[in-house]
Amino acid sequence: SQQGEEDPQALSIQEGENATMNCSYKTSINNLQWYRQNSGRGLVHLILIRSNEREKHSGRLRVTLDTSKKSSSLLITASRAADTASYFCATDEDYGQNFVFGPGTRLSVLP
Amino acid sequence: KAGVTQTPRYLIKTRGQQVTLSCSPISGHRSVSWYQQTPGQGLQFLFEYFSETQRNKGNFPGRFSGRQFSNSRSEMNVSTLELGDSALYLCASSLKTSGSTYEQYFGPGTRLTVT
Repeated sequence: SQQGEEDPQALSIQEGENATMNCSYKTSINNLQWYRQNSGRGLVHLILIRSNEREKHSGRLRVTLDTSKKSSSLLITASRAADTASYFCATDEDYGQNFVFGPGTRLSVLP
Repeated sequence: KAGVTQTPRYLIKTRGQQVTLSCSPISGHRSVSWYQQTPGQGLQFLFEYFSETQRNKGNFPGRFSGRQFSNSRSEMNVSTLELGDSALYLCASSLKTSGSTYEQYFGPGTRLTVT
């Protein structure tokens, strides 16, 4: 079952602009993670935010988590063409050992 | 440290055949998870192995199986291949920190095409 659901499905912006992607989930979680995938390759871990955290930063990335709304957002500031990729959120399920990924947001950054 | 490696990177098989994919985790990582990624279903969890034991399993038919060796390397096997098994198969290893809060490191994947 899909736990995380990203929104929008696709996003196209100009270099230098900010990109915001959202993720919603259904059940209680311990943590939520964001991953990036360049075309047809493996996923790269970006950031992990725990359920007791509200905001986290890493370089040009800013992640927020609202457990009352069961949602998270990923903000990429000052985007670059190299940020073009698909972005996935993943949540842990039932304190389990596996992660459930959303369908992803495809980001295109135009030069 | 070397990253997660997967072999082969590309594979073409015929319906009805079987296939074995291999994954070598990052040194020191004892947990290995497998995922199937398709355009229609997205990323779906297959199973996770920890210290040679299957610890968790996703909702896939019994044709999908796996194992882990004492050196943490893992293999997954798909028998009686179907066209719908065409996908990118991703392996991820992790070093658990606390509870279920840990990062997964993914390999480049094996692109399986079933004709």
